Amino acid sequence: EAQVTQNPRYLITVTGKKLTVTCSQNMNHEYMSWYRQDPGLGLRQIYYSMNVEVTDKGDVPEGYKVSRKEKRNFPLILESPSPNQTSLYFCASSFSYGGGNEQFFGPGTRLTVL
Amino acid sequence: GQNIDQPTEMTATEGAIVQINCTYQTSGFNGLFWYQQHAGEAPTFLSYNVLDGLEEKGRFSSFLSRSKGYSYLLLKELQMKDSASYLCAVRDTGGFKTIFGAGTRLFVKA
Repeated sequence: EAQVTQNPRYLITVTGKKLTVTCSQNMNHEYMSWYRQDPGLGLRQIYYSMNVEVTDKGDVPEGYKVSRKEKRNFPLILESPSPNQTSLYFCASSFSYGGGNEQFFGPGTRLTVL
Repeated sequence: GQNIDQPTEMTATEGAIVQINCTYQTSGFNGLFWYQQHAGEAPTFLSYNVLDGLEEKGRFSSFLSRSKGYSYLLLKELQMKDSASYLCAVRDTGGFKTIFGAGTRLFVKA
């Protein structure tokens, strides 16, 4: 089944404890992206990747890191999480950036930073 | 700056037609998407417009006017399962970003 998977689905952690949220897609998509979703603000793009080893900042990259060493995986790293990073996170992928290529979203990771 | 505006909430009756508007101001434009998101779930793709005009897909249609920075999503023959949030998203030309509106929460009542 074609899908985007994220792990963990739920995480409660404390300020300053490094964490990684994994994202994997099995559709051979080139473009991958991370978003956070907060009430009243909608989805905001954190980082995106056009292909392996090609990543760039979205609109809210502060406090986050990403890597794209393999085409299928795009982990999101919080080196020192803070309470303002409490949010619902979505990973998404699309075949490429252009044309009518829609994004396929993972199920989401609900993160709480105490 | 970059901005996408949608109404926060709308209510409509089962079987009726509803139009959800989206206006955008972005530095570039390379396509507009509509996604549906049920509560607690991931967004799923509904439609894509890059040229002016109407795109129809079953009960859902989407319209785009690039000169006005305006789009709408039209839902016909509303069903209870259409109760969800509808997200308008613009793909920018500067960089490879996608900008989402805050979403419109649609309530369908019997």
